[in-house]
Amino acid sequence: GQQLNQSPQSMFIQEGEDVSMNCTSSSIFNTWLWYKQDPGEGPVLLIALYKAGELTSNGRLTAQFGITRKDSFLNISASIPSDVGIYFCAGPVDSNYQLIWGAGTKLIIKP
Amino acid sequence: GAGVSQSPSNKVTEKGKDVELRCDPISGHTALYWYRQSLGQGLEFLIYFQGNSAPDKSGLPSDRFSAERTGGSVSTLTIQRTQQEDSAVYLCASSLVSYISTDTQYFGPGTRLTVL
Repeated sequence: GQQLNQSPQSMFIQEGEDVSMNCTSSSIFNTWLWYKQDPGEGPVLLIALYKAGELTSNGRLTAQFGITRKDSFLNISASIPSDVGIYFCAGPVDSNYQLIWGAGTKLIIKP
Repeated sequence: GAGVSQSPSNKVTEKGKDVELRCDPISGHTALYWYRQSLGQGLEFLIYFQGNSAPDKSGLPSDRFSAERTGGSVSTLTIQRTQQEDSAVYLCASSLVSYISTDTQYFGPGTRLTVL
């Protein structure tokens, strides 16, 4: 079945650093979604991508829909403490509503 | 509040007992989803409700799991004869409609279930 592979699994970074993470699939997706989950909360949608090659920003966050439609990238510029959390990629399979999810990238900021 | 709410926030139960988890979606949202999140994993789709249509139960892992949605609003996820592998966070989400490209799923805070 379809799977989403996220990397890295976790990241330790200094405040102010830029962050990059990615999500890959063995099959084509028509939509890529990036969510963030804070501890004890449900995921919150950050960015949605709908076209191959699309580059979309949300504040300090920028995400790209890979041209092959099998990957997507999320970048965070000038990280701040509130960026800590788990970032998930997700995409619809078969139906329009059923999402599959990557295992997440955990972002930790060094004190 | 205007968000999705879930109760209880934490539930500890003994193996073999039944549990009920509740979700109150955002008012007016016709679509409701249940997911399971195991430690260190992504979300696993369980079940989907859309209006008065028959629910999509294709993600339910066994016949011990069932869900209902009364009056197109509140939903209850029931797990019978709980097993230790059922321990996870159960997340509920709702959306205005169900087409991914025009709609966003809003998640509740989840219920953390621990089966001893």
